[in-house]
Amino acid sequence: GEDVEQSLFLSVREGDSSVINCTYTDSSSTYLYWYKQEPGAGLQLLTYIFSNMDMKQDQRLTVLLNKKDKHLSLRIADTQTGDSAIYFCAAVISSGSARQLTFGSGTQLTVLP
Amino acid sequence: EAQVTQNPRYLITVTGKKLTVTCSQNMNHEYMSWYRQDPGLGLRQIYYSMNVEVTDKGDVPEGYKVSRKEKRNFPLILESPSPNQTSLYFCASSLFSGRAKNIQYFGAGTRLSVL
Repeated sequence: GEDVEQSLFLSVREGDSSVINCTYTDSSSTYLYWYKQEPGAGLQLLTYIFSNMDMKQDQRLTVLLNKKDKHLSLRIADTQTGDSAIYFCAAVISSGSARQLTFGSGTQLTVLP
Repeated sequence: EAQVTQNPRYLITVTGKKLTVTCSQNMNHEYMSWYRQDPGLGLRQIYYSMNVEVTDKGDVPEGYKVSRKEKRNFPLILESPSPNQTSLYFCASSLFSGRAKNIQYFGAGTRLSVL
């Protein structure tokens, strides 16, 4: 499978919680990232988590990390229409002697009124 | 303001006509990278550069060239564009590559159409 995998689409109602999931292959990834891409714009770092943590909370955002299963999730509480965007999970993946920041395919979050 | 600047933002060209997309960063970052974004495929890395005069192929380098003569600039060159290079392109930079903490800063993107 791909080094970093995410589902492509998620739709939620305004006010509900959104949960975007990601799996990665490299257990040595020490930092894992979530980037947000709004329509017509580049990616911006949303949050990140260090691998010795299993949870990080930042206002409406909660990142959960299950290092054993190599599973990362991003929860957005009280989802708003302004949260509609593509969310990318990223991890530093080893490939031979190189280590590169590798992105998932992105999850398109649509928030319905 | 710290930023990564790409130009042009939009470009329509014809098959075979050489073009260059410029990228410049003002954060004194060592690492720079080019990605293309296609529906359902996410971001795929084209080329990257760990420092001046050091460039390496990413996952999809065919049909592209890059150069890194100065730290701040990392142009992407399409010598003979083809329609399968129609895509959204992003330049990114970060302090270092491969280190544990690697926060990349992205340009706003260049939407290229090759007819």
